[in-house]
Amino acid sequence: SQQGEEDPQALSIQEGENATMNCSYKTSINNLQWYRQNSGRGLVHLILIRSNEREKHSGRLRVTLDTSKKSSSLLITASRAADTASYFCATTDAGNMLTFGGGTRLMVKP
Amino acid sequence: DTAVSQTPKYLVTQMGNDKSIKCEQNLGHDTMYWYKQDSKKFLKIMFSYNNKELIINETVPNRFSPKSPDKAHLNLHINSLELGDSAVYFCASSQGTGFYGYTFGSGTRLTVV
Repeated sequence: SQQGEEDPQALSIQEGENATMNCSYKTSINNLQWYRQNSGRGLVHLILIRSNEREKHSGRLRVTLDTSKKSSSLLITASRAADTASYFCATTDAGNMLTFGGGTRLMVKP
Repeated sequence: DTAVSQTPKYLVTQMGNDKSIKCEQNLGHDTMYWYKQDSKKFLKIMFSYNNKELIINETVPNRFSPKSPDKAHLNLHINSLELGDSAVYFCASSQGTGFYGYTFGSGTRLTVV
């Protein structure tokens, strides 16, 4: 079964707008990671946030983690057409296996 | 200079055949993985392997078997292929398990006819 549920499943925005994707998970985690997958390609690691961290930034990406609510969000600021992709959250638990959510398909229109 | 490379990129085969997908990483990582991505884009871990331990997802049929000739390679063998095996298979690697991001290959699209 999937560990994470992502919301929304699909998101369409205009270039320059911000995109926010949410992820909820079920069990205790060691860390949570976000990945991007362009159509027909492999997954690319974007950012990792540890269970004792609440917020992390990387360039135009901002990730938050709320372990009390078992949820995370990924914010992409000033989106570009090149950000069009599927975004997946993934968690590791005590077994250290990386388990993925169902993904959010983001379309950024020029 | 591809970090994680898989071959072949596409594989079309008939039901009942046996096939292999190769994976190599040049990152010096000590753990490698196989994931299956279905038509709805759900990713499921199949195997995790380092030089000490093989962890198998119990939902994976025993027709699937990983073979690791050395630390840089983890091949996937599939026996008696079924229509439901059609999917994209991704190899990945990481340094340690669970504490760092994974590096993924570009995937192998398997179609069973």
